[in-house]
Amino acid sequence: SQQGEEDPQALSIQEGENATMNCSYKTSINNLQWYRQNSGRGLVHLILIRSNEREKHSGRLRVTLDTSKKSSSLLITASRAADTASYFCAPFTGRRALTFGSGTRLQVQP
Amino acid sequence: NAGVTQTPKFQVLKTGQSMTLQCAQDMNHNSMYWYRQDPGMGLRLIYYSASEGTTDKGEVPNGYNVSRLNKREFSLRLESAAPSQTSVYFCASSPSTGPPGNTIYFGEGSWLTVV
Repeated sequence: SQQGEEDPQALSIQEGENATMNCSYKTSINNLQWYRQNSGRGLVHLILIRSNEREKHSGRLRVTLDTSKKSSSLLITASRAADTASYFCAPFTGRRALTFGSGTRLQVQP
Repeated sequence: NAGVTQTPKFQVLKTGQSMTLQCAQDMNHNSMYWYRQDPGMGLRLIYYSASEGTTDKGEVPNGYNVSRLNKREFSLRLESAAPSQTSVYFCASSPSTGPPGNTIYFGEGSWLTVV
């Protein structure tokens, strides 16, 4: 299976704290993407990191990729209540369409 | 700019009934997808269409059929609905299935209940 596995399944933090979510996968990848899903909505693309990149930033988001460990992490700095959502990683192996794991449910308490 | 539009938004079906979920995108994307998401779960790929004229099975294709009507439209049909198909269905599209264009854009979902 090419889908990623997110950890933890659920995370609850206070507003202003940093949130870190991890993703592990099993096969070689071409790129890895992170998506966010607000309750009752479709997924929204956050960031893409290529296999030859180790770190990427977008606003308050920082993504790292360690291909030797087959893992990625998403860091959200200075979390806000509006960051409350589920976060999914999607590793792309190049063989088929993107598939998704069960995600990390992030709750940011105001 | 509407992006990916799905209809209907909500539907209740009786076991054994059939229905078609419609999806259209206005981004001139080549690839389109249907996913399902069960409560508290991740998304599972049902079918996808890498380009107009092609369709391929995903992780959970049984009980479904698809039609890529043209470049814009990709429909999902349930021929004989079962309670196990109660789920939220998401249509999505992307410039391609592979990089550099495989960032996926999702619709808002169709809530289907089979009783």
